[in-house]
Amino acid sequence: SAVISQKPSRDICQRGTSLTIQCQVDSQVTMMFWYRQQPGQSLTLIATANQGSEATYESGFVIDKFPISRPNLTFSTLTVSNMSPEDSSIYLCSVSQGRSANVLTFGAGSRLTVL
Amino acid sequence: TQLLEQSPQFLSIQEGENLTVYCNSSSVFSSLQWYRQEPGEGPVLLVTVVTGGEVKKLKRLTFQFGDARKDSSLHITAAQPGDTGLYLCAGALGFGNEKLTFGTGTRLTIIP
Repeated sequence: SAVISQKPSRDICQRGTSLTIQCQVDSQVTMMFWYRQQPGQSLTLIATANQGSEATYESGFVIDKFPISRPNLTFSTLTVSNMSPEDSSIYLCSVSQGRSANVLTFGAGSRLTVL
Repeated sequence: TQLLEQSPQFLSIQEGENLTVYCNSSSVFSSLQWYRQEPGEGPVLLVTVVTGGEVKKLKRLTFQFGDARKDSSLHITAAQPGDTGLYLCAGALGFGNEKLTFGTGTRLTIIP
């Protein structure tokens, strides 16, 4: 399965600033996703990162707050803009490699704390 | 509204005991997966079930998909400290739809 590297692994940020998270995959993949995991909670899909076009956002998430880039089939970035303490979460990059069923491989996540 | 409800939310048991985690929904899923997540790591896939009534075994872990493909269970026999983690079920609503809906999660602690 694919190996995913996320940077940074953790960061402490000030309210009102923005942070970009990078996701690098060791092989070309079609589908890349960004998830949010709030403290003690399950995973919520933010968006599907589409190569060469705008990301597809889930209900409750907007491009102005979470701009996403996907310049090629191995790399994506998620920016958390104008952060507030409510944005403190683990942000996870994942890729789909399944054929007959959906199989996700995840990065280790980026733990953001907003003060 | 959470599509996939897991129970229990928290479970702490002694090493060697057996346990069952449930994943329930009112929706029909084309496939359902179980993941385990350890602190500081992303979720790791344990199993995928696709057929109603399907049972899969992974060493001491037994996974079952409900006949109507709306629910699933995970049974662990003789739990070990290494089983500690957050267990997540995740369902796919459509064939070829790669988006997964994750369950509410069960945090399992095995006490040595």
